[in-house]
Formats: sequence, structure tokens, C-alpha cells
Amino acid sequence: EPEVTQTPSHQVTQMGQEVILRCVPISNHLYFYWYRQILGQKVEFLVSFYNNEISEKSEIFDDQFSVERPDGSNFTLKIRSTKLEDSAMYFCASSEGLAGSGEQFFGPGTRLTVL
Amino acid sequence: TQLLEQSPQFLSIQEGENLTVYCNSSSVFSSLQWYRQEPGEGPVLLVTVVTGGEVKKLKRLTFQFGDARKDSSLHITAAQPGDTGLYLCAGPNPNAGNNRKLIWGLGTSLAVNP
Repeated sequence: EPEVTQTPSHQVTQMGQEVILRCVPISNHLYFYWYRQILGQKVEFLVSFYNNEISEKSEIFDDQFSVERPDGSNFTLKIRSTKLEDSAMYFCASSEGLAGSGEQFFGPGTRLTVL
Repeated sequence: TQLLEQSPQFLSIQEGENLTVYCNSSSVFSSLQWYRQEPGEGPVLLVTVVTGGEVKKLKRLTFQFGDARKDSSLHITAAQPGDTGLYLCAGPNPNAGNNRKLIWGLGTSLAVNP
């Protein structure tokens, strides 16, 4: 069964460093998303991406964040200068196009720890 | 304020008991999804309900979408320790056209004790 994959599973970085989180969405999906979940808190939407551009972003997704689909399979989230409060689980998700019912399928997540 | 309210927030029961958890909103959703999340892992999609009044069964799990598409429930029959986890409901943002952003509830944390 096709699934969303994410790498790495755990990333530890120093405050101020850049990190890139990688995702491979389900191959025939057209919409891609990043969410984050701070420990003990709810899942929060960061950004959605369609047709090689951002379709929506949340207040959390400031200038420190960027997304890219560098090739036909990968979808990346870059944090330019990490802060302590960026420590969280980051989930990538993908869904079909407009004909779908909104179902999003999630990857296993990357745990980001900023020291 | 939460667009999707889930209740109860925590539930601890014995193996073999039945339970129902709820997902309520004052807004109409085009669909609602139920996810189950275990600690340190991503949410896993269980089911999507689309039609008002719809009932879907997944083994011992029964999902219902309210007639007005504002609420949903999840009923588990004869709960097992393997059902332990965080049950989340989510739906496409009802306040934005074709927007695909999911709105999430806070979840019901279920513990089934052997």
C-alpha cells in the first residue's frame, strides 16, 4: 500500500542552524502539506502546496520557513535559523486533487530537537 | 475557540467495555476524518465520512456523521488494549472554498486497561 515517507526520523540541531526535513508523498497525489505537533499539543497546520506553489500558509509559517519540491518525488521543509520553540514533531501529508474528499495521508514524522 | 470540539478529552476503560467519543462543531463540514495517533508517530487515517447520517464500520469501530454534517461519533465495541491511542477528528476548513487545510480537534486520549 502506498505511503508517505519522511526522513530523518529524528533531527537534533543547534539553535540558529538550518535544517531541511524531507518527505516523499504518495506518488499520484497532487496536494502536499506540512504540519507540526509540539509535545502534548494539537496538530497545527503549517503550509499547503499545489502545482509548485504555496496555496495556503499559517501564521506559524513565517520567513524562516520555506518549502520546495526539488524533483518529481521529494517535498522539503526548510527552517533557516532554528529556534528553541521549533522543537516539535513535523508531519508531511499528501492528498489527491480537487475531486477527493479531503483525505490526507500522513508520514511517520520527523522529531526535531533544537538545543 | 475550537472549531472542532472533541469529548471526552481523556477516557480510561477496562478491556471488553464499549465506549463512544464525540466530535462536535457549530459549522457544517463537507467531510470529517477520524485519525488514530500513537505517541511519537503520525496520525493514521481510520475513516472519512462524507454524507449526512452516514454510518461506517471498521471491525469493532463504528463511525457516524450527523445528519447536519456538524458532528460525528466513534463507537468502539469490546475495546482491547490495542485500541489505546489518541483519536483525532479533522475536516477541511469550512470557512474557505477549495482550501485543503485540515482543521483538527484536540483529540480523545483513550487507554484500555487489560
